Amino acid sequence: KQEVTQIPAALSVPEGENLVLNCSFTDSAIYNLQWFRQDPGKGLTSLLLIQSSQREQTSGRLNASLDKSSGRSTLYIAASQPGDSATYLCAVRPVLSNQFYFGTGTSLTVIP
Amino acid sequence: EAGVAQSPRYKIIEKRQSVAFWCNPISGHATLYWYQQILGQGPKLLIQFQNNGVVDDSQLPKDRFSAERLKGVDSTLKIQPAKLEDSAVYLCASSFAQYYEQYFGPGTRLTVT
Repeated sequence: KQEVTQIPAALSVPEGENLVLNCSFTDSAIYNLQWFRQDPGKGLTSLLLIQSSQREQTSGRLNASLDKSSGRSTLYIAASQPGDSATYLCAVRPVLSNQFYFGTGTSLTVIP
Repeated sequence: EAGVAQSPRYKIIEKRQSVAFWCNPISGHATLYWYQQILGQGPKLLIQFQNNGVVDDSQLPKDRFSAERLKGVDSTLKIQPAKLEDSAVYLCASSFAQYYEQYFGPGTRLTVT
């Protein structure tokens, strides 16, 4: 069974800092990986989807990378802003599986 | 484009009562998912539909949970009878097809007392 881990569980940074969030998974046979943002009391907002054949995806200040062989993905946030404060979740879809396996998330606080 | 709609947003019930949640996916999305998210954890898939057929319900507690997606559009998730451990946020998501990007609704926060 696929297990997804996100470390650290919480992160606090000053505004303007560049930061990296980590996601690791135990089975490298994945179909794709998706990063989400979750604001308190809200649903999940899709940030980036990386197919297994891709190495990275970019959207604005966000860049997600994927290294299947090592079972790792990172989400890079450039020039962080207080509005980036949220919980960031990664989810992995294994090959030949209908399920997305989620990590427990990293709670990010950007201090003005 | 309208997003995934869910109702109600909040529900408080007593244990052993029944409750139902409704989801309307993004128009044209064939795949619909129900997730359970317990506080401090990532979402866990309960059931996945492809049009009006069930693709995966291996983690659905079938003795108390049921779900349907009539006509391949809207879906309802029911819990009967509810237990204290069912307190969670129930998230509905949809995607154009299997393996495509998932889009989530705002969720229904259920509290069982």
